[in-house]
Amino acid sequence: SQQGEEDPQALSIQEGENATMNCSYKTSINNLQWYRQNSGRGLVHLILIRSNEREKHSGRLRVTLDTSKKSSSLLITASRAADTASYFCPFRGQAGTALIFGKGTTLSVSS
Amino acid sequence: GAGVSQSPRYKVAKRGQDVALRCDPISGHVSLFWYQQALGQGPEFLTYFQNEAQLDKSGLPSDRFFAERPEGSVSTLKIQRTQQEDSAVYLCASSLTGSANTGELFFGEGSRLTVL
Repeated sequence: SQQGEEDPQALSIQEGENATMNCSYKTSINNLQWYRQNSGRGLVHLILIRSNEREKHSGRLRVTLDTSKKSSSLLITASRAADTASYFCPFRGQAGTALIFGKGTTLSVSS
Repeated sequence: GAGVSQSPRYKVAKRGQDVALRCDPISGHVSLFWYQQALGQGPEFLTYFQNEAQLDKSGLPSDRFFAERPEGSVSTLKIQRTQQEDSAVYLCASSLTGSANTGELFFGEGSRLTVL
């Protein structure tokens, strides 16, 4: 399968805690993106990390990329109830094809 | 407009009816994508346009599905003779770049199709 895997599939934490989710992929990449989807809504782009970058920050988000292991992680610090959503890291399949999405990680943050 | 607009937001169709879903991408965006998302699943790729050219339709599940973007802007996804398994959320996304997979995607809110 060319699909990547987000891990874990589901994550439940308390407000204020940190949330870490991981993503593995199988093909070479130019960049890797993370998206968030709130229930019943469209997806929203969170952050993009290029293949020559190892870490990137945006507000409470920290993304790491390990191209040797074909994996990435997304850390959300000091989580809030509003962070409750599904998180995806789509990746490129074959050259010239559109991004492929896995099932995502469903994060629940309770207050 | 400010974002990607999809209509209708909700559509209920009787099995066998034809439906048309509209996507109005961000002005100037070159690439347009359609994805299908079943409940609890991630979006699955259907088709991709670069301007008016349909470069990839490998994800369309059957010949009942047809998409067009005749003037390189608004796109319509048409489903003929709908079946219950077509029930899903249909997401449209656009991207400024002509690349299929490196640009940031801007998604609409989706059209939820329920086939009875």
